[in-house]
Order: sequence, then C-alpha cells, then structure tokens
Amino acid sequence: AQTVTQSQPEMSVQEAETVTLSCTYDTSENNYYLFWYKQPPSRQMILVIRQEAYKQQNATENRFSVNFQKAAKSFSLKISDSQLGDTAMYFCASSTQGGSEKLVFGKGTKLTVNP
Amino acid sequence: EAGVVQSPRYKIIEKKQPVAFWCNPISGHNTLYWYRQNLGQGPELLIRYENEEAVDDSQLPKDRFSAERLKGVDSTLKIQPAELGDSAVYLCASSLDRTSSGNTIYFGEGSWLTVV
Repeated sequence: AQTVTQSQPEMSVQEAETVTLSCTYDTSENNYYLFWYKQPPSRQMILVIRQEAYKQQNATENRFSVNFQKAAKSFSLKISDSQLGDTAMYFCASSTQGGSEKLVFGKGTKLTVNP
Repeated sequence: EAGVVQSPRYKIIEKKQPVAFWCNPISGHNTLYWYRQNLGQGPELLIRYENEEAVDDSQLPKDRFSAERLKGVDSTLKIQPAELGDSAVYLCASSLDRTSSGNTIYFGEGSWLTVV
C-alpha cells in the first residue's frame, strides 16, 4: 500500500521569494511516480510537476522544481520567485506502474503568497 | 482541446434524496476516475474505469453509490439515498491509457455536494 504524508498544513511566503513544501511517501513498489498538484479555490486539480522514481535527475518546470531523495522517500517542491497566483492548496501524490493506476494523495499544504 | 467536464458544479440536496453527477472525459482518454474529496483532505479514489469496465471499485460504498460508463466515454456517479457524510467534492479525472508509461491524470473542476 502507498501512503503520502505532508507535514505542513499551512505555509506562507512573500511574493518573489522561494518556498519549499515537504512530502514523504512510502511504497513497496519499485516502479512508481510522484506528483505535485495545485488546487486553487475553483477545486480543479492542476498538475504542477511529475517525477519518475527510476530517474535520478530532479524534475523542473519553470519556477517549480523538486528535490527527490529516493532513499529517504522524500519529495519536496520548491517554488522560486513566488507569485500571487501560486496561492492554492498543494497536494503531493504517488502512483504505481504506468502512472495511471491510482493516485494516492497527501492531505495537502495550504500555501499563501503575500504581496 | 476541452478538458474534463463535470456537471453540475454545485448541488444542495436533503438527506435521503438521490443525486447524480455526470462526467465527460478528455477525448480519447480510455481511463476514467471518480475521486471524492472531503473538506481538508486529499482526494480518494472511488472507482476507476478502463473503457467500459470498472477495474477498481474497492473504495466505492456499494450500498448507496453506483457508477456507470456506457460506451466507454461519459460516466455517471449516483448516490441514493444521500447521507450527511456524503457532503464533499466529487472529482472526475481521465488519462490516456494505463499501459502508457508516465500517463498524466487530468481532473475536472469537481461537483460540490452539500447534503442538508
């Protein structure tokens, strides 16, 4: 069984600064995927970034990057140059095999970007 | 390209009444998911379809919940009768093909249910 833990219920950051959201996971699978989703007040889950567990290189998407520590089962999200539009709930999630089997989500971190 | 479309966006019903949610996945996506998100929690999978077949419904409360995906495209999730604890956001999602590596799951905007 997979589990995902986000230990930071809420975080805040000043506009233009950098913030890191933490996530740890547990899985018995060898082949798995990790994701960060953003959920604004509209409630639509928007994929921010994805990491394949077999890839050692950390994924990056513009201002978003991850620090994937496989041995420690840690998968943190770094947001650089934070913008007001980054204010949202952020969910860490994991899935097995091809990435479309089943997403298991953490409880989320509420991020507020202050002007 | 249109995303995952859900309706209704909001629904308020009295307990013991029935309710149904509709989902139209992204064109060409064979896999369809229904998730439930309770307040302050992450989404949890209710059911997953591969084309018309429900391949994972282990988390679906079958005494009151039902789902169908006729013709392998649109899907309907029904609750009958609704209970107060069913108040949540019901998220539909789709992905291209479970056999393709690294598939991304795309979500709709959700259907907000309030049971009073």
